[in-house]
This record gives sequence, C-alpha cells and structure tokens, in this order.
Amino acid sequence: GAVVSQHPSWVICKSGTSVKIECRSLDFQATTMFWYRQFPKQSLMLMATSNEGSKATYEQGVEKDKFLINHASLTLSTLTVTSAHPEDSSFYICSAQSGGNQPQHFGDGTRLSIL
Amino acid sequence: EDQVTQSPEALRLQEGESSSLNCSYTVSGLRGLFWYRQDPGKGPEFLFTLYSAGEEKEKERLKATLTKKESFLHITAPKPEDSATYLCAVRAFYGAGSYQLTFGKGTKLSVIP
Repeated sequence: GAVVSQHPSWVICKSGTSVKIECRSLDFQATTMFWYRQFPKQSLMLMATSNEGSKATYEQGVEKDKFLINHASLTLSTLTVTSAHPEDSSFYICSAQSGGNQPQHFGDGTRLSIL
Repeated sequence: EDQVTQSPEALRLQEGESSSLNCSYTVSGLRGLFWYRQDPGKGPEFLFTLYSAGEEKEKERLKATLTKKESFLHITAPKPEDSATYLCAVRAFYGAGSYQLTFGKGTKLSVIP
C-alpha cells in the first residue's frame, strides 16, 4: 500500500521550455502533497506544500511563478517548471500524505536536465 | 530553526558486521521522527516513525530507537541488499495546520559481501 507514482522519471529539454511533472497517489487519497528538490549528496529541500483545492504554500526563496503547482484532486498534483534554464536542472521528488499524523510517501523522482 | 545531523556520512560494513547510524536533532515541538531508505535514482522509502523518547521499532534487520536528542538506526548482521542511503527526518508543526519534514543529509551505507 501507499504507492506514489511520479512521471516522467527523466526529462531532457532545451532552455526556455516548460516542463510538467505529475505526482499521483495510486491507492490512497492524499490531503497534502509536497514537492522537494534534491542536489547530489544533499538532503531533500522542501519547495512547496499543497492541499487539494487550495493554493500551494511555497518555501522562502522558491519562485511561485517559476514553479507552478496544481493540486486538482485528492490523487494528483502537478509541478510545472516554466521557462526552464540550466540552473533548474535537478532531481525533483514529490510526496503524498493521507493525513496529518501519517508518514509522507514518496515518488521515485524526476531527473530534469536543461540544456 | 530545526536541524537534523546524521553521522557518519558514509559507512562501509562487511556482510554480517552490525553497526548503528546516528541522527541528532533540534526541533521545536517534535511531531515525529522518520527514517527512510533511499536507493540511487529513487525516492525515499518509508521505514519507521518514532514519536516519543524510549520508543523502539523493528523491521527485519533494522531497529530504530529514539531519545530526546537523537535517534539510532541499528543494523544487525547486514546483507549487501541493505546498501542504500538512510535518511532521517523530523516533523514539526509550522502553524495553520501545516506539518513539515526537515531532512538530514543521510548516511550512505555500503555492505560488502
């Protein structure tokens, strides 16, 4: 149980392109979903928290106009990296949580490479 | 500011050689300490949640313990398939019904046959 699917797993695209990443909870309803970014040999850094049907809460230093988050249903959240540039290249991971006291369950991440 | 420090950064063990990983934390209002396993190129896989000092959880060769300042992940007679990066995270309340995880940098465990 508690499976989170993230798609795509790997993206290479040109600078200036917008990229959408999907995160789905397959066997549970996620009241809250989280988006993280991870650099090599570094810990996961929280980018934003989203609750179904409401606007995402972004962490300090994360540009909300660059990283658009939509949490349209209890099983789907999307992260769109708009006008991506090489410095946006990273490993993006989503997680989903069914309730405040439950653990977060993570997807397998998306490796984004901007040329 | 919440902080999580894991040690050592990397650990190499012979198969069958038991050891422990450490997670030291400072947090205002702990709402759980979590251990995850992360394989290369994958997302973290949930292992344990601990809520209060003195609590212990076990799963196969892994045992997690918690004190007021740190948590240990004990690995008994490890096998090569236990090789991974083990992440520790603390959850705290951030207001407006929001709970967040703060992660350590992880301990990369390598078990040599």
